[in-house]
Amino acid sequence: GQSLEQPSEVTAVEGAIVQINCTYQTSGFYGLSWYQQHDGGAPTFLSYNALDGLEETGRFSSFLSRSDSYGYLLLQELQMKDSASYFCAFSNAGGTSYGKLTFGQGTILTVHP
Amino acid sequence: DVKVTQSSRYLVKRTGEKVFLECVQDMDHENMFWYRQDPGLGLRLIYFSYDVKMKEKGDIPEGYSVSREKKERFSLILESASTNQTSMYLCASSPDPGTDTQYFGPGTRLTVL
Repeated sequence: GQSLEQPSEVTAVEGAIVQINCTYQTSGFYGLSWYQQHDGGAPTFLSYNALDGLEETGRFSSFLSRSDSYGYLLLQELQMKDSASYFCAFSNAGGTSYGKLTFGQGTILTVHP
Repeated sequence: DVKVTQSSRYLVKRTGEKVFLECVQDMDHENMFWYRQDPGLGLRLIYFSYDVKMKEKGDIPEGYSVSREKKERFSLILESASTNQTSMYLCASSPDPGTDTQYFGPGTRLTVL
């Protein structure tokens, strides 16, 4: 079957670094992406990995290990505005699955002063 | 900027009513998606479309149908609304298959009484 596991909640303080892990199970894996959603808002794309390694976008980085079926989102220099839900999602290669995302249940990040 | 709009932000319907949720994107994207989002369950894919008049079932298509007569518009139809369809409905679009970047609309919070 297909599944994703990520922690339901993470808490950190302003200025700190936090890592949100995601493990997945699927056949025909293509890539792992991350989305941010503020309360009452729409999900917005953050980062994407199709190859092993680290992708950096400003304060946010995302890592993928295809052999371990594992990825993480790293948020540095946390700010209060980073308090939000974070979703990992994988895509599958081939046929009409191409472009379809399967989302995890989301991790609620709370940043304290 | 990519813009995805949804016809209503809030909607209240009665059990048994036929409900239409409309989604329009302005970036000539090939793929369009309908999700529902419920607390603790993340985003679950209902239907998606990779071309005009083409549709594919997602993970939870039961009780729903879709229509894509024009490239920019993707409609979700609840043939006979039920209380367990009370949810947040999110529409998204993305360019050619192979990209994991989806652009989401603001969502429609549907309540079925």
